[in-house]
Amino acid sequence: QAQLVDSGGGVVQPGRSLRLSCAASGFTFASFDMHWVRQAPGKGLEWVAGISYDRNEKNYADSVKGRFTISRDNSKNMVYLQMNSLRTEDTALYYCAKVFAPAGPGAFDIWGQGTMVTVSS
Amino acid sequence: DIQMTQSPSTLSASVGDRVTVTCRASQDIRNWLAWYQQKPGKAPNLLIYDASSLESGVPSRFSGSGSGTEFTLTISSLQPDDFATYYCQQYNSYSPLDTFGQGTKLEIK
Repeated sequence: QAQLVDSGGGVVQPGRSLRLSCAASGFTFASFDMHWVRQAPGKGLEWVAGISYDRNEKNYADSVKGRFTISRDNSKNMVYLQMNSLRTEDTALYYCAKVFAPAGPGAFDIWGQGTMVTVSS
Repeated sequence: DIQMTQSPSTLSASVGDRVTVTCRASQDIRNWLAWYQQKPGKAPNLLIYDASSLESGVPSRFSGSGSGTEFTLTISSLQPDDFATYYCQQYNSYSPLDTFGQGTKLEIK
């Protein structure tokens, strides 16, 4: 059964850094693009970043560009989100998500359980 | 950037009703559209992909239609388990095109 497990969230002061991790299992991880999506408390879904299956393409929402970095390790079935210069508006539940079809863009069929990031002084 | 406009933001309906949610794209996205259901405290669940394809395990009362810039999600006969928030998402190649609609909260009338 395909599964994603998100971890690494916590409470951090503005301007500090945090790294989120997503552990994948139950599918051929190296064949699928992966994404991070966040949801601020009481708000809607916001796409944050995506990385292609072969790591050749990485893209970011304007709100995090230059501060966040997505990466993956296909040997460990892991995807990461390095978050630097955190702001209070980055406070959200962060989900890792898998694309439905291999080797390309698509809908997100598998989601992690989410990891909460709170940016506060 | 492509913008997704979802309507209505809130919808009140009764068990057994037929309901429709609309999603409009600011430019042609062909059929690169998905619909998700989200319940409080849970991750989103994929219902429809490629505008009209039903995800495995999703009840057949859910259907999607449209292409280009106008899309709809229809629930043919509401069940108690369907009261939740629904999001559309357009996807294509990357940046800046993976975006979600604002969400539609489906409430019990």
